[in-house]
Amino acid sequence: DIQMTQSPSTLSASVGDRVTITCRASQSISSWLAWYQQKPGKAPKLLIYKASSLESGVPSRFSGSGSGTEFTLTISSLQPDDFATYYCQQYNSAWTFGQGTKVEIK
Amino acid sequence: QVQLVESGGGVVQPGGSLRLSCAASGFTFSSYGMHWVRQAPGKGLEWVAFIRYDGSNKYYADSVKGRFTISRDNSKNTLYLQMNSLRAEDTAVYYCAKTAGPYDRDAFDIWGQGTMVTVSS
Repeated sequence: DIQMTQSPSTLSASVGDRVTITCRASQSISSWLAWYQQKPGKAPKLLIYKASSLESGVPSRFSGSGSGTEFTLTISSLQPDDFATYYCQQYNSAWTFGQGTKVEIK
Repeated sequence: QVQLVESGGGVVQPGGSLRLSCAASGFTFSSYGMHWVRQAPGKGLEWVAFIRYDGSNKYYADSVKGRFTISRDNSKNTLYLQMNSLRAEDTAVYYCAKTAGPYDRDAFDIWGQGTMVTVSS
């Protein structure tokens, strides 16, 4: 089974900050990686698919990069609506989520 | 609009059974694979099961294999999850989710609002 490890688990940041979240796969997953945003009491929302493709309707301040085993999600300028938990997910072999990264207000 | 609505959650005793439903609308249900994903209280997301668009292939997480069964009725635009031999660790919000494309290997672009399952005596 492929394991996904996100870092950090919690991130404190201010509005306007550039934020980067890392996701590592236990083996190569090519570019079969997605990023989701989840707010308390709500369903996850797809942000990025195939490692770097922006889902329709998602603001351009979100971007993804990487391939193989190392991936990043970057928020170029953090907005008040972005405080949430973010999950990476591999879909190369079955489907596995990372443990999540909570982005908190500093 | 594209929508998934889960139902069937509730409180059940350990060893009991429950069937969840997920009603789809706003897209051609029979053209997309579907998943169940769960989230225990205060925890992260855990993929549970997948069924191909035509029901020809099904996959399960090891944690539910042999106890849960995923199925679909394309004539009713509905996805199901039959859960048997329930355990306390199955307590979670259960989400259904749609694959973004017609392939098994795809992200999940539409999610339902979730239904809570509590396993407790």
